[in-house]
Order: sequence, then C-alpha cells, then structure tokens
Amino acid sequence: GAVVSQHPSRVICKSGTSVKIECRSLDFQATTMFWYRQFPKKSLMLMATSNEGSKATYEQGVEKDKFLINHASLTLSTLTVTSAHPEDSSFYICSARGGSGANMNTEAFFGQGTRLTVV
Amino acid sequence: AQSVTQLDSHVSVSEGTPVLLRCNYSSSYSPSLFWYVQHPNKGLQLLLKYTSAATLVKGINGFEAEFKKSETSFHLTKPSAHMSDAAEYFCVVSDMRGYSTLTFGKGTMLLVSP
Repeated sequence: GAVVSQHPSRVICKSGTSVKIECRSLDFQATTMFWYRQFPKKSLMLMATSNEGSKATYEQGVEKDKFLINHASLTLSTLTVTSAHPEDSSFYICSARGGSGANMNTEAFFGQGTRLTVV
Repeated sequence: AQSVTQLDSHVSVSEGTPVLLRCNYSSSYSPSLFWYVQHPNKGLQLLLKYTSAATLVKGINGFEAEFKKSETSFHLTKPSAHMSDAAEYFCVVSDMRGYSTLTFGKGTMLLVSP
C-alpha cells in the first residue's frame, strides 16, 4: 500500500512552546489529509480535515488557533501545536487520501503517529 | 450519517485458537468498511477493506472479514491466533462515495495467551 511518513515519532517540549508535526505522502498525491488525536486506551478522535491549498475544516471543539494545520502541497501537511500545555500531551496521527470528487479513494493511509509530551 | 459499533472492548484467546472480533455499522449510503490494526505507540495498518466487490474479504496475516448487509455486520476472523496478533483493532466505515470522513469504532483489544 501507499506510504505516509509522519515526523517526529516522539517529541518532548516545554509548556508554552510550539511544536510542528509533519505528515508526508511518499508515493501518492494526498488531496485530503486528516489529523487525529488519540487518548490512552481510546479510539481516534478526528481533529480536522484539510484539502490541499485550502483552509482546514476543524471538528467541533477543536481550537483552530491552537492546532494550526497547513496543507500547502499534495505531499505535505503540518500540524503545529501552539503554546503547548501538558493537557495537549497525546498521540497524534495523520492520514491521507488520494483522488478527488467522484474519484476520491475510499482508503486512507496512516502515518506512524507522534507521541507529544508537554512538560 | 454513519456509525460503527465494536461489540467487545477486549477479546482474549489462546494461541492457536480462532479469533472473532465483532463490528456492526450503519451508513446512509453504500459503505466502505475497513479493519485496521494498531500496535502500541504505532500508527494504523490496514488489514483489509470492503468496497462493494466480494463480500468475503481476505486481508494480511491470515485475517478475513465478511460483509453481511442484512445484519449490517463486518466481523473480523482468523482461524488460528498468533502471539504477534495481540494489538488494538479498529473497525472503520466510510461511505462509498468517498466524500465522508472515516468513522472509527472504539476499538477492540485482542489479548493472546500462550
């Protein structure tokens, strides 16, 4: 299957600083990327959906000014956690889909995840 | 609207015995259905998917799932569990058009004992 690379796999940052997480599709054009947050022993919670070249659509309850998403190219999306606090510590996972409109692929490919710890 | 219900939060089996992870779904449109596996602190790996072709879908590592429209089910099975199968499994639904996002079940933790 297609490969999605997420970096870094682990990051520890100080409270109040910002952290950027990258998600790259290595062998296909990701027209749509999704960012999820996963709490311990819980399922994935969709944070936002981004389409290349347009603003991300955030799920209810997700602060768009805190979780900045950029999808500037068909192979790269970034999630920046701004002014991080300990409660932002979590496992963040991206996924990507290719195609668009009626040709959108139903299958999404997932990155390896990023474990963020804010101290 | 679409939703997924994974009926068991935990399933425990012995190595070499069959595995059954249950999933029921609802969808306003013809669904695509997926099973993903997640090992600790890892991303998700696709095991198999159903997208309107054969109702019995074979995936990687000996897993398979059967789409039963009348029962709105997509249960995951494996004839013989291996220790390496111990992980979290997610059943996921998306509508066939591809416009909708993926909707995840809450996950089933599969525990395999020697």
